[in-house]
Amino acid sequence: AQSVTQLGSHVSVSEGALVLLRCNYSSSVPPYLFWYVQYPNQGLQLLLKYTTGATLVKGINGFEAEFKKSETSFHLTKPSAHMSDAAEYFCAVTHDNYGQNFVFGPGTRLSVLP
Amino acid sequence: NAGVTQTPKFQVLKTGQSMTLQCAQDMNHEYMSWYRQDPGMGLRLIHYSVGAGITDQGEVPNGYNVSRSTTEDFPLRLLSAAPSQTSVYFCASSRSSGTAGTQYFGPGTRLLVL
Repeated sequence: AQSVTQLGSHVSVSEGALVLLRCNYSSSVPPYLFWYVQYPNQGLQLLLKYTTGATLVKGINGFEAEFKKSETSFHLTKPSAHMSDAAEYFCAVTHDNYGQNFVFGPGTRLSVLP
Repeated sequence: NAGVTQTPKFQVLKTGQSMTLQCAQDMNHEYMSWYRQDPGMGLRLIHYSVGAGITDQGEVPNGYNVSRSTTEDFPLRLLSAAPSQTSVYFCASSRSSGTAGTQYFGPGTRLLVL
């Protein structure tokens, strides 16, 4: 069975600092990879996704993620954190178009300090 | 488009009561699913449907029923509520192809079982 790990349940950065949220998956076959963001008391919004092709994927709000097959990783980065980035971030994987076997990581809560 | 809508936003139940969480989407998506979100565990799949009349169990189906009589609606029924079902419930939908499993989430229903 697939699994997704996110290192660090809570990450704090200063405003303007680099954001790095880690995601590793367990799968022998590269899956489709996603990052979702959840703001307080809201549903999940898609930040970005990797399907095929270019391994560096750009998403909304200045975020990007790089798929590294050799490391089975899909880490999320943003060069300069903004206060509005404070939220919970979920990494997820699936192997099929339906997303029937959509597996989420446990989430990382990002705090941005002034 | 309203996207994915869920009602109610918040509900308090007593142990043993039953209720139905409503989910609707206006994007003509074939695939719909229900997740529960618990602290530190990410989202876990309860039930899903690949089209009207077709449903199947996910990771944590016990205590929940679903049906899919139309493409638009996918209600989740709690048969006899238990405190362990206190959680935030999210409904999601996706197209059958071309989206690499990208799911669109509703705003969630927060359920408290006393």
